Amino acid sequence: GAGVSQSPSNKVTEKGKDVELRCDPISGHTALYWYRQSLGQGLEFLIYFQGNSAPDKSGLPSDRFSAERTGGSVSTLTIQRTQQEDSAVYLCASSSRDRSSYEQYFGPGTRLTVT
Amino acid sequence: AQKITQTQPGMFVQEKEAVTLDCTYDTSDPSYGLFWYKQPSSGEMIFLIYQGSYDQQNATEGRYSLNFQKARKSANLVISASQLGDSAMYFCAMREGVTQKLVFGQGTRLTINP
Repeated sequence: GAGVSQSPSNKVTEKGKDVELRCDPISGHTALYWYRQSLGQGLEFLIYFQGNSAPDKSGLPSDRFSAERTGGSVSTLTIQRTQQEDSAVYLCASSSRDRSSYEQYFGPGTRLTVT
Repeated sequence: AQKITQTQPGMFVQEKEAVTLDCTYDTSDPSYGLFWYKQPSSGEMIFLIYQGSYDQQNATEGRYSLNFQKARKSANLVISASQLGDSAMYFCAMREGVTQKLVFGQGTRLTINP
């Protein structure tokens, strides 16, 4: 079956512009996670969705970052007024809570470059 | 707070040799899970192996095995008979709390030499 997909794969934007990153999880996976991978910070958690609600937003670095999920499926991560330190690879992962391991399946990521 | 430590930034191994990648963790939660992921140069995160804190046996998946020493809080990944395609970044991670979000170590870059 299809894995987690993300779009765009690459995004170059000017400082101050808004960007939207999209994640399509594996069908039927109720849990969805956003992570960020940057050279200085490694891999860090941003936000977690269970269905359409986000009970854990503790990793969002500032109020410029927001995310939503609709229909228990697609999620969009929005970064407003982008800054150069937002440059990173944004990874989405989904998980079926039916498995005891709660293994997360990752998408290919969106590489964001803020110039 | 939970923490994952990978002390080997880089490792170089000869093809066909076995390799051990170190991972130690810190948690006060009696129920936890440990993962290893592989990230090739293409960037995707590939799940390799999982160990639950209550699992009695060390996890194995093909050429991958996890040397789980609970008292020492270590979860080292062992790759047997390494192959050129094993060259990649390897991340140890622990799932945390009710949300099961992953906390990652800094990674180890493994290079397999022919």
